[in-house]
Amino acid sequence: DAGVTQSPTHLIKTRGQQVTLRCSPKSGHDTVSWYQQALGQGPQFIFQYYEEEERQRGNFPDRFSGHQFPNYSSELNVNALLLGDSALYLCASSFSGAGYGYTFGSGTRLTVV
Amino acid sequence: AQSVTQLGSHVSVSEGALVLLRCNYSSSVPPYLFWYVQYPNQGLQLLLKYTSAATLVKGINGFEAEFKKSETSFHLTKPSAHMSDAAEYFCAVNLGGGAQKLVFGQGTRLTINP
Repeated sequence: DAGVTQSPTHLIKTRGQQVTLRCSPKSGHDTVSWYQQALGQGPQFIFQYYEEEERQRGNFPDRFSGHQFPNYSSELNVNALLLGDSALYLCASSFSGAGYGYTFGSGTRLTVV
Repeated sequence: AQSVTQLGSHVSVSEGALVLLRCNYSSSVPPYLFWYVQYPNQGLQLLLKYTSAATLVKGINGFEAEFKKSETSFHLTKPSAHMSDAAEYFCAVNLGGGAQKLVFGQGTRLTINP
């Protein structure tokens, strides 16, 4: 049974560019959450998608946006990249209503230069 | 508002010694509580979770944690440390219900000395 799959694993972008990160949830899960983990910090909640809509959002600017597809997979888009966006981006999937059953992917390491 | 405080950003123990990683939370309602482990350049792996059942929770790799409501704590322990336990550990809280997001502590780096 495949867990949460994220792609790509590593990415290097230039300031001002745009980036798209992808996530496939664990089989049976329909909710996807995205987290940003800066170096030496705990993960910070970006937003959560359920039924193709953003259900909750953390304290991140509008440069961060997302999408969920009918097959429950999700994308995280970041526009106008800043050096401070360099981080590990983690995707977590869960089953709707189960606030205790998260499965995390291995993450995408984004470096902005 | 809910928050999580992990006491000690770095803990060092000898192999075979007791591991104790501290976590305190603030929440106005009974929370769901989690401990995750992160190995270098990897994602988060769930060690154990408290979801209002038994207050003593057993997890993987010999770890366990006890939910103490009176102390708002959820400390992680392991009786005997192994070299493979060296990693970053995160405590997290979720209020449950409609509030699905996890709030993480800053993490504790565990070092095991031979």
